[in-house]
Amino acid sequence: DAGVIQSPRHEVTEMGQEVTLRCKPISGHDYLFWYRQTMMRGLELLIYFNNNVPIDDSGMPEDRFSAKMPNASFSTLKIQPSEPRDSAVYFCASSLTETGEQFFGPGTRLTVL
Amino acid sequence: GQQVMQIPQYQHVQEGEDFTTYCNSSTTLSNIQWYKQRPGGHPVFLIQLVKSGEVKKQKRLTFQFGEAKKNSSLHITATQTTDVGTYFCAGPQNNFNKFYFGSGTKLNVKP
Repeated sequence: DAGVIQSPRHEVTEMGQEVTLRCKPISGHDYLFWYRQTMMRGLELLIYFNNNVPIDDSGMPEDRFSAKMPNASFSTLKIQPSEPRDSAVYFCASSLTETGEQFFGPGTRLTVL
Repeated sequence: GQQVMQIPQYQHVQEGEDFTTYCNSSTTLSNIQWYKQRPGGHPVFLIQLVKSGEVKKQKRLTFQFGEAKKNSSLHITATQTTDVGTYFCAGPQNNFNKFYFGSGTKLNVKP
């Protein structure tokens, strides 16, 4: 298996633009997690899904952020409109169980100018 | 809400010295996991501890889970330059399964 795949690896955009981050979890993993990592706030859980259904989105910072999982092999995290404070590395992770080992993707480094 | 704190935040050691990072949760954890993130990389799972007082070893790494399941430690014996990175503890709060990552300890090893 190729592991968790994320795209793009790097994204530079201007304030106000829409940003879409993509994730393909490991096949067979029922759980998918979206994290944001910054120097100031560390690694924060934004939202996670079980069998494509959002279970907990309490970590989503505000309404500008939305996440979807239309099928078991694809998820998106969208920011609209983007702001400079959204600049961070966004990781997607998947796991077999809710509290088990998580496999992280390589991350998307987002820079909002 | 739950907080998972780690100390120290940074640690600089000479190659060959030992290193320990401590993880403390404000609430009981059903299990504790440890991850390592190399500079520029992504977190990689190291181990999971489930039982109160559990101790596990991986070569030079020793992991402990506290009796009250609210704290944990990672000890590295005789550090090597390959140990450089940030070490995170993580776990779900008891009765809830939302995952919390600790603040991380960044280890630098001087050759």
